[in-house]
Amino acid sequence: AQSVSQHNHHVILSEAASLELGCNYSYGGTVNLFWYVQYPGQHLQLLLKYFSGDPLVKGIKGFEAEFIKSKFSFNLRKPSVQWSDTAEYFCAVNVFYGQNFVFGPGTRLSVLP
Amino acid sequence: NAGVTQTPKFQVLKTGQSMTLQCAQDMNHNSMYWYRQDPGMGLRLIYYSASEGTTDKGEVPNGYNVSRLNKREFSLRLESAAPSQTSVYFCASSEQGSTYNEQFFGPGTRLTVL
Repeated sequence: AQSVSQHNHHVILSEAASLELGCNYSYGGTVNLFWYVQYPGQHLQLLLKYFSGDPLVKGIKGFEAEFIKSKFSFNLRKPSVQWSDTAEYFCAVNVFYGQNFVFGPGTRLSVLP
Repeated sequence: NAGVTQTPKFQVLKTGQSMTLQCAQDMNHNSMYWYRQDPGMGLRLIYYSASEGTTDKGEVPNGYNVSRLNKREFSLRLESAAPSQTSVYFCASSEQGSTYNEQFFGPGTRLTVL
């Protein structure tokens, strides 16, 4: 069965610091990869997604993620975080044409002003 | 275009009571999903419906039932609520069969079972 792990449970950064959140998945076949963000009290929103092509994917609000197939990883990055990036971030995997999404446990990001 | 809507937003139940969570989407998506979100556990799939008329169990189906009423609506029923079902419940939909099958989420229902 597929599984998704996220390296950090809670990350605390100061504004302008750089961010990298780790995500690894276990599945040997073709996958679709996603990062979702959940701002406090809100529902999940898509940050970015990877299906094929360039392994460096750019999303909204300055976020990007890099798919490294050999490492089964899809890490999320942002060069300079803002207080408004405080949220919970979820990595998710979907087997190509599969039914189920599998979500990681989430990483809570707190950005200090 | 409202996307995915859920009702109610909040609910408090006593152990043993029943209730139905409603979900509707207006994006003409084939697939719909119910998740529960618990601290430190991410989202866990309860049930999903790949298309109108079909439903399948997810990772944590025990204690729940679902109905895919039509293409738009997918409800989740708790027949006899238990404190372990205290959680935030999210409904989602996607255009299954497409390469770009990202999921779109509703605002959630926060359920407390006393």
